[in-house]
Amino acid sequence: LAKTTQPISMDSYEGQEVNITCSHNNIATNDYITWYQQFPSQGPRFIIQGYKTKVTNEVASLFIPADRKSSTLSLPRVSLSDTAVYYCLVGLIQKLVFGTGTRLLVSP
Amino acid sequence: DTGVSQDPRHKITKRGQNVTFRCDPISEHNRLYWYRQTLGQGPEFLTYFQNEAQLEKSRLLSDRFSAERPKGSFSTLEIQRTEQGDSAMYLCASSLGGTNQPQHFGDGTRLSIL
Repeated sequence: LAKTTQPISMDSYEGQEVNITCSHNNIATNDYITWYQQFPSQGPRFIIQGYKTKVTNEVASLFIPADRKSSTLSLPRVSLSDTAVYYCLVGLIQKLVFGTGTRLLVSP
Repeated sequence: DTGVSQDPRHKITKRGQNVTFRCDPISEHNRLYWYRQTLGQGPEFLTYFQNEAQLEKSRLLSDRFSAERPKGSFSTLEIQRTEQGDSAMYLCASSLGGTNQPQHFGDGTRLSIL
């Protein structure tokens, strides 16, 4: 299973765009890249998933370069409620392996 | 879509007691997963079912742990002879079958061992 590396924590202010980059040098051909968000005392919430290039949904964008060895989750115009832990996962969606995630703190 | 439901939300018990948790997945989801999460760590995979068949079990799932999904709908996770180290959040997730269908998580059962 591919190992991921992402920053332990990030700070931002309301209204800013936040980009969280995840490294996954050993990603396999069949692996997808999936991001989850987790608030305290809640289960992880699926944000976005992609295989290559760019994926966008109503809450985030996911940028994946051609070599797929990294990916960047982009959160446009964050609000206080985006304060959470963000997990980058690589592999088959049926076999999720969570790291310790990135703790994002959004301040007023 | 009522989401994944877990019961109870909190459980406090004495060491050595048995506990059982229940998970009700999203109704049309045929895959069901159990995870354990300790403070400051990401969730760790325990086991997963496709319909009623338990297809994979982690080495974390010692012989004191057993999971069932008898009719391919709800699932139970039982821990026998609980130990202090079993204190954690136990999360359930479900998904549709097929390749790369995202897992949807419940809000977990927090187990505290006295």
